[in-house]
Amino acid sequence: GAVVSQHPSWVICKSGTSVKIECRSLDFQATTMFWYRQFPKQSLMLMATSNEGSKATYEQGVEKDKFLINHASLTLSTLTVTSAHPEDSSFYICSAGRGDHYGYTFGSGTRLTVV
Amino acid sequence: ELKVEQNPLFLSMQEGKNYTIYCNYSTTSDRLYWYRQDPGKSLESLFVLLSNGAVKQEGRLMASLDTKARLSTLHITAAVHDLSATYFCAVFMDSNYQLIWGAGTKLIIKP
Repeated sequence: GAVVSQHPSWVICKSGTSVKIECRSLDFQATTMFWYRQFPKQSLMLMATSNEGSKATYEQGVEKDKFLINHASLTLSTLTVTSAHPEDSSFYICSAGRGDHYGYTFGSGTRLTVV
Repeated sequence: ELKVEQNPLFLSMQEGKNYTIYCNYSTTSDRLYWYRQDPGKSLESLFVLLSNGAVKQEGRLMASLDTKARLSTLHITAAVHDLSATYFCAVFMDSNYQLIWGAGTKLIIKP
């Protein structure tokens, strides 16, 4: 079945530093990658949608200069949280779409804690 | 704007009982997903419902879709403790290929 590998699973970083999260589709080509953020006990909040080779489309209220998304290939997308602050602490999840109706495979998530 | 309402948001039940989680959505869609999330984990796909009248079953879980009523249900039969988790429904938007998420139902099954 379709597998999406997300790394790291958890990361602790200092305020002001940047953190990169990677998502790789291991056995299929991800035409579209979705990046979500989830706060405790809440549903998923879509941050941005990226298609391979093009700029990401960010949802309203999401700072594109702070959350840099790169989807350079059909198997890899990255989210970089720049100049992280404690309020960026959250659970980040990627989801890859294959372009068919079964489409959405989720990564295992990244727990980011900014101290 | 598509809205997805899921209820109940919290459900505590005894093992062996049956219950149903409801997912209502506000505009036309013919594709709906159900996911499970365990604490601290990502989402696990349970069901993909692709057409009106679709019914899928896996073990003690059964999901159905009524696109005319804009309603999906996730029915739990003879619940067991292992089914304790948060369940999300998500509706597919044709216009931008996004999923619109319900708020989730936290299910606790007591022995």
